[in-house]
Amino acid sequence: NAGVTQTPKFQVLKTGQSMTLQCAQDMNHEYMSWYRQDPGMGLRLIHYSVGAGITDQGEVPNGYNVSRSTTEDFPLRLLSAAPSQTSVYFCASSLRQGHYEQYFGPGTRLTVT
Amino acid sequence: AQSVTQLDSQVPVFEEAPVELRCNYSSSVSVYLFWYVQYPNQGLQLLLKYLSGSTLVKGINGFEAEFNKSQTSFHLRKPSVHISDTAEYFCAVRGNTNAGKSTFGDGTTLTVKP
Repeated sequence: NAGVTQTPKFQVLKTGQSMTLQCAQDMNHEYMSWYRQDPGMGLRLIHYSVGAGITDQGEVPNGYNVSRSTTEDFPLRLLSAAPSQTSVYFCASSLRQGHYEQYFGPGTRLTVT
Repeated sequence: AQSVTQLDSQVPVFEEAPVELRCNYSSSVSVYLFWYVQYPNQGLQLLLKYLSGSTLVKGINGFEAEFNKSQTSFHLRKPSVHISDTAEYFCAVRGNTNAGKSTFGDGTTLTVKP
């Protein structure tokens, strides 16, 4: 199993550009989520999905869109990048909610200039 | 609603010394408790989790944590640390309700010095 994979590893965008961060898992996990990690602020939930075709907002959803057309893939779209979106983004998956631990991807380091 | 407070943002310790990383939580419903570790430039990986039963939970790399319901705490301990334990540690809670959202603490940076 590859686990949770994320691409790209690094990205630099100009303000106003759009892009998609890719996330895929091969563990047949129902639950997937996107977090952003900023210094001293832990991980903050952006969007999550409890299954294909079902998504919902997390703590900091503004400026981001998601879709879940398959169990395996959960892309995160930045609609119009802003410097405040400079961060490290992590995708995670788990079998279901509750007592199941999350498996994390290696992260994407995004800089918006 | 649920929240997690990690009481120390940075913990420096000498090699082979014991360490405790403190975590308090609050929740209006039953939650499950987790500790994750993040090594530099990597994603998070599970250290240990508390589901139910014995309040002392053992994890990987010699770490253990104790669940204290009355104090709503889940402190992480290791009796003797190694240089390789230098990393950031996150405490997290997750429930069956609230759509299974996880809430993470702000993290504790453990630095082990020779």
